[in-house]
Amino acid sequence: AQSVAQPEDQVNVAEGNPLTVKCTYSVSGNPYLFWYVQYPNRGLQFLLKYITGDNLVKGSYGFEAEFNKSQTSFHLKKPSALVSDSALYFCAVRDRLAAGNKLTFGGGTRVLVKP
Amino acid sequence: SQTIHQWPATLVQPVGSPLSLECTVEGTSNPNLYWYRQAAGRGLQLLFYSVGIGQISSEVPQNLSASRPQDRQFILSSKKLLLSDSGFYLCAWSFRGPQIPYEQYFGPGTRLTVT
Repeated sequence: AQSVAQPEDQVNVAEGNPLTVKCTYSVSGNPYLFWYVQYPNRGLQFLLKYITGDNLVKGSYGFEAEFNKSQTSFHLKKPSALVSDSALYFCAVRDRLAAGNKLTFGGGTRVLVKP
Repeated sequence: SQTIHQWPATLVQPVGSPLSLECTVEGTSNPNLYWYRQAAGRGLQLLFYSVGIGQISSEVPQNLSASRPQDRQFILSSKKLLLSDSGFYLCAWSFRGPQIPYEQYFGPGTRLTVT
């Protein structure tokens, strides 16, 4: 069975500082990994995904994520956070053998960027 | 481009009443479709997914059911709502293809309050 852990319920960062949101995963084989963002009372928006190849993946709104196979991690990063980045962030994993393109989501990390 | 719609946006229903939430996708054919529930603004629980008309897979036993009467229409139903059915219901779609890590795209959600 596949699983995702987001160890931090909330991350606080000052505007302009680097932002990191942590994610670790567990799958039986090689993973596909995703990051989503959710603003209040809205659906989730896709940010980026890792399939294979370069361990550093670049996505929307200046976000990037680094895949680390030995540490089974896929941390989301942004070099300089904006107040508008304040939202709920979800990491998700898909086992390559999973039927129906099903994703397993982490519990989410709330990001608060203070001016 | 593809668009996903959900309605209603908000719903307040008494315990024991029926439920019908609708999701439609435009601009694509043969999508995979998914229903999630999000409780208390946190983690997502996959309820149902569908890989084709009339093909529904249930992930969690509950008093909800899902149907897919048309290729791009996905309906979530209940005959008698429980208080525990309250939450934020999200529909999502993805391109179909078991070996391709397609991301899922989410609708705007329905906020259901059971009173």
